[in-house]
Amino acid sequence: GQQVMQIPQYQHVQEGEDFTTYCNSSTTLSNIQWYKQRPGGHPVFLIQLVKSGEVKKQKRLTFQFGEAKKNSSLHITATQTTDVGTYFCAVVPYNNNDMRFGAGTRLTVKP
Amino acid sequence: GAGVSQSPSNKVTEKGKDVELRCDPISGHTALYWYRQSLGQGLEFLIYFQGNSAPDKSGLPSDRFSAERTGGSVSTLTIQRTQQEDSAVYLCASSLEGGRGLTQYFGPGTRLTVL
Repeated sequence: GQQVMQIPQYQHVQEGEDFTTYCNSSTTLSNIQWYKQRPGGHPVFLIQLVKSGEVKKQKRLTFQFGEAKKNSSLHITATQTTDVGTYFCAVVPYNNNDMRFGAGTRLTVKP
Repeated sequence: GAGVSQSPSNKVTEKGKDVELRCDPISGHTALYWYRQSLGQGLEFLIYFQGNSAPDKSGLPSDRFSAERTGGSVSTLTIQRTQQEDSAVYLCASSLEGGRGLTQYFGPGTRLTVL
C-alpha cells in the first residue's frame, strides 16, 4: 500500500534559525497539501501543490513539490515562536483520491 | 462564515459507558471525515462519508466504533463500552464534493477522557 513518510519527527531550533521538513511518498502523487496544527489546536490548511517542480511561497514559508511528484518540502526561514506547532503533509495519489496524512513534524522554537 | 463545529468540546466518561460525539460540517460540504489523534501523535483516519455513497469505514479500530451521517449533514460518532485506550482528541473535517483529494477543514475537536 501507499507509504507516506515525514522527516524529521521532531525539530527543535533557536529562534531565527531555519527549519525544513520533508514528506516522501512511495507512489506518484496528483497533489500534496500541507497543514499546520498549533499546540492545543486543530490542523489548518496551508497550501496545495499540484505541478511537478512547483514552488510556492507564503511569507517566510517556502513549499516545493519534487520533479517526480513523489516528495515535497516545507522550509521556514528565520523561525519565530509563532511557527511552533506540528506540520503535516497530506498526499493524494495520482490513481485515486484517497488522501492520507503523514505523521507530522513537531517544531519547537526557543526564544 | 461558520466553520466545522464539534460538540462537546470535552467529554469525561467512565470505562464501559457509551459516548456520542457530534460534528456539524461546513454548509454545502458533502464530504465528512473523522480522525482520532492521541496525545502528541498524528492523525488516525477513522471513517469517511461522501454524499449518499456508502461510507468508507476502513479506519474504525473495532466494532465498538460506529458513525452515522443523517441528511447528508450532521454526523455522530458513537463509541460503545469505552476503554481507556479510547482517550484521545476526535477531530472531524469536511470538504467540498468531488473526492477525497480536496482541502479538508477541521473542527476544534472533542477531547475524550475515559477514566
